[in-house]
Amino acid sequence: KQEVTQIPAALSVPEGENLVLNCSFTDSAIYNLQWFRQDPGKGLTSLLLIQSSQREQTSGRLNASLDKSSGRSTLYIAASQPGDSATYLCAVLYSGAGSYQLTFGKGTKLSVIP
Amino acid sequence: GAVVSQHPSRVICKSGTSVKIECRSLDFQATTMFWYRQFPKKSLMLMATSNEGSKATYEQGVEKDKFLINHASLTLSTLTVTSAHPEDSSFYICSARDRTGGVDSLHFGNGTRLTVT
Repeated sequence: KQEVTQIPAALSVPEGENLVLNCSFTDSAIYNLQWFRQDPGKGLTSLLLIQSSQREQTSGRLNASLDKSSGRSTLYIAASQPGDSATYLCAVLYSGAGSYQLTFGKGTKLSVIP
Repeated sequence: GAVVSQHPSRVICKSGTSVKIECRSLDFQATTMFWYRQFPKKSLMLMATSNEGSKATYEQGVEKDKFLINHASLTLSTLTVTSAHPEDSSFYICSARDRTGGVDSLHFGNGTRLTVT
């Protein structure tokens, strides 16, 4: 069964710092991996989607990488801002138990201190 | 862009009643939809995977008879919480798989906040 782990569970950084969030998964036979942002009490905002054939995706200050063979992905946030404070989730889409399944990590709660 | 509409966004119901939550893909066909539940300050927990035209696949520990899922068309999946109890109060989110143009992506609804009194 696919397991997704995110480290660290919580992270606090001063404004302006660059930071890296980590995501690992146990089954490398994935279709894609997606990073999301969730603000308190809100739904999910998709940040970046990496297909299994891709190595990385970039959007603005965000860069996500994927190393399928080692079961790892990172989300790099450059020049962090207080508005980046949120919980960041990664999720993998894979084929399991005869159907497509999506598994989330528990998230990393990011606090950017002004 | 692709949009998933989840309705209602908030619902308050009394114990013992049933509540239906709808998840619609507005501009793409979704053969697969996922239903999640989120407890306060916790991550999303997959409840079930819904495939159009077939029975949903439930995760271990999720009661099939309590959380009824129907995916009768390529654009609509519904989750019905039957005989709701206060412990069913939670945030429910659906997502739909979009394979348009050979690109595999997921789109999420905005969630439904269920409160059972």
